[in-house]
Amino acid sequence: AQSVSQHNHHVILSEAASLELGCNYSYGGTVNLFWYVQYPGQHLQLLLKYFSGDPLVKGIKGFEAEFIKSKFSFNLRKPSVQWSDTAEYFCAVNVGSNTGKLIFGQGTTLQVKP
Amino acid sequence: KAGVTQTPRYLIKTRGQQVTLSCSPISGHRSVSWYQQTPGQGLQFLFEYFSETQRNKGNFPGRFSGRQFSNSRSEMNVSTLELGDSALYLCASSFEGRNGYTFGSGTRLTVV
Repeated sequence: AQSVSQHNHHVILSEAASLELGCNYSYGGTVNLFWYVQYPGQHLQLLLKYFSGDPLVKGIKGFEAEFIKSKFSFNLRKPSVQWSDTAEYFCAVNVGSNTGKLIFGQGTTLQVKP
Repeated sequence: KAGVTQTPRYLIKTRGQQVTLSCSPISGHRSVSWYQQTPGQGLQFLFEYFSETQRNKGNFPGRFSGRQFSNSRSEMNVSTLELGDSALYLCASSFEGRNGYTFGSGTRLTVV
């Protein structure tokens, strides 16, 4: 069965520090990859997505992610975090085409200290 | 444009009862998916509907069911509620998967 693993469950950073959240998936075929963010009290919002093409994907709010097919990874990065980035981050995989089934990782809680 | 709307926002039900949750997708979106979010299990896929047909199904018991109407609005029903069904139920809609999936704010179900 397909699965998604997020290595960091809880990350604490100071403002201006760099961020990298790990995400690995288990599926050998074509995948579509997503990062979602859930700010406190708000709904899930799409940060960025990868379907094909350039493996370095840029999203909203200065986030980017790199798809490394050989490592089955899709890590999220941001050069300099802000207090407002405090949230829970979810990596998700969508296998194949024409399917609305997303498999989510367990999530990473990011706390940014001012 | 309006986002994904889920109603009601909060529900409290008694064990053994049934409940119906509603989801109105973004206008023009034909795919509607449902997820259950709990602290212990995280986000788990329930099912997806596309053009009134169930296209995908997750690993949930038959007590969980859904349907989609011709206007793409979707409902999910949980019968014979159990305490473990307490969760945040999320709905997501998409025009085509490549555009990503937009989530609603969810319905918080508490079973007592």
